[in-house]
Amino acid sequence: ETGVTQSPTHLIKTRGQQVTLRCSSQSGHNTVSWYQQALGQGPQFIFQYYREEENGRGNFPPRFSGLQFPNYSSELNVNALELDDSALYLCASRQDQGGYEQYFGPGTRLTVT
Amino acid sequence: AQRVTQPEKLLSVFKGAPVELKCNYSYSGSPELFWYVQYSRQRLQLLLRHISRESIKGFTADLNKGETSFHLKKPFAQEEDSAMYYCALRGAAGNKLTFGGGTRVLVKP
Repeated sequence: ETGVTQSPTHLIKTRGQQVTLRCSSQSGHNTVSWYQQALGQGPQFIFQYYREEENGRGNFPPRFSGLQFPNYSSELNVNALELDDSALYLCASRQDQGGYEQYFGPGTRLTVT
Repeated sequence: AQRVTQPEKLLSVFKGAPVELKCNYSYSGSPELFWYVQYSRQRLQLLLRHISRESIKGFTADLNKGETSFHLKKPFAQEEDSAMYYCALRGAAGNKLTFGGGTRVLVKP
């Protein structure tokens, strides 16, 4: 077991609402990435944080935002939820930016109704 | 732009038969290529990467820059190889991992 945890396991929200998903990285891992995985598809890169700064972003609108904290925890915030935001959200951590292996969490299943 | 294509959604083979999962990529520079695997009820985990050139659980993958491919192969499939496999690419900036759509492998007894 890699030690990356995510909460909650699953949740249901209504269109237009806001949601915060949480991730706890492995100790010593300064880089965390978030992915969205729609049903039947591969994970899609949302953004990456390194030492509390965003340093890479995929094709996601600004209503997807994040935070990374010094204690190796991080958050993914999504405002104005849309039905298409329903997906599994994965976080992954790795050592600094040079570490090649990303360790994934179990994911949070978000359903927007 | 980075793009990874896995043309097969499902591969069904018998135990002991060879299995090959196709992966093609599009990237203008020198990429890092990976294969990730997700077993039933487990989280996504790294299987192998092209730089290490090693065999993991009997799987190998060779980066072919001319054909922009990174196919995953195993000569004799086992039932425990049944899983979801994802090919992934990381570009020179190192801050983005692009995944393919995944291939489900089913090894029948």
